[in-house]
Amino acid sequence: AQKITQTQPGMFVQEKEAVTLDCTYDTSDPSYGLFWYKQPSSGEMIFLIYQGSYDQQNATEGRYSLNFQKARKSANLVISASQLGDSAMYFCAMRENNAGNNRKLIWGLGTSLAVNP
Amino acid sequence: GAGVSQSPRYKVAKRGQDVALRCDPISGHVSLFWYQQALGQGPEFLTYFQNEAQLDKSGLPSDRFFAERPEGSVSTLKIQRTQQEDSAVYLCASSLMAGETQYFGPGTRLLVL
Repeated sequence: AQKITQTQPGMFVQEKEAVTLDCTYDTSDPSYGLFWYKQPSSGEMIFLIYQGSYDQQNATEGRYSLNFQKARKSANLVISASQLGDSAMYFCAMRENNAGNNRKLIWGLGTSLAVNP
Repeated sequence: GAGVSQSPRYKVAKRGQDVALRCDPISGHVSLFWYQQALGQGPEFLTYFQNEAQLDKSGLPSDRFFAERPEGSVSTLKIQRTQQEDSAVYLCASSLMAGETQYFGPGTRLLVL
């Protein structure tokens, strides 16, 4: 069954340092997408980055990059040069592309990131 | 342009009351999703619309939950005879087409007393 696992309930990082948030997934669908979202205390889910299962290169968006290791079924988020505003919950999510009409996202439990000044 | 909007942002209901939650997707977005997020958890899928057609409602937890999108834009999630376990944040998301990135609204925090 499709599943997302985020094993780090909480992480701390010093301002200006890089941090890696872990995500592993399980699916039998050969075509899928992986997403990372940020959820600040205000509650809104903010899209950060996307990686398709057939993409040859790791996705990057500004300070965010996705370390995609397909054989290991991992899609870790790397945030470079952390800022105080990066403090939030971070969710990894997956969408299977061959699930018929089902386009839902499957979510992990999230990782709470705290950036220390 | 304007993002996804949801109203109300906060709702307190007495157990047994009916509630209606509204979602205004990004203009032109065909696909619309509802998710339920319990405290300390990741979101859980509730239902999915493509235009006005409800293509997947497998995540609705009971027949007390009902969603509609009659004109293919605004959607309403209705919960009848609310129970305490319905307390959660209800997130709405839209995407340009099926399979595209989903963009979320601010959510409605529902508290059932």
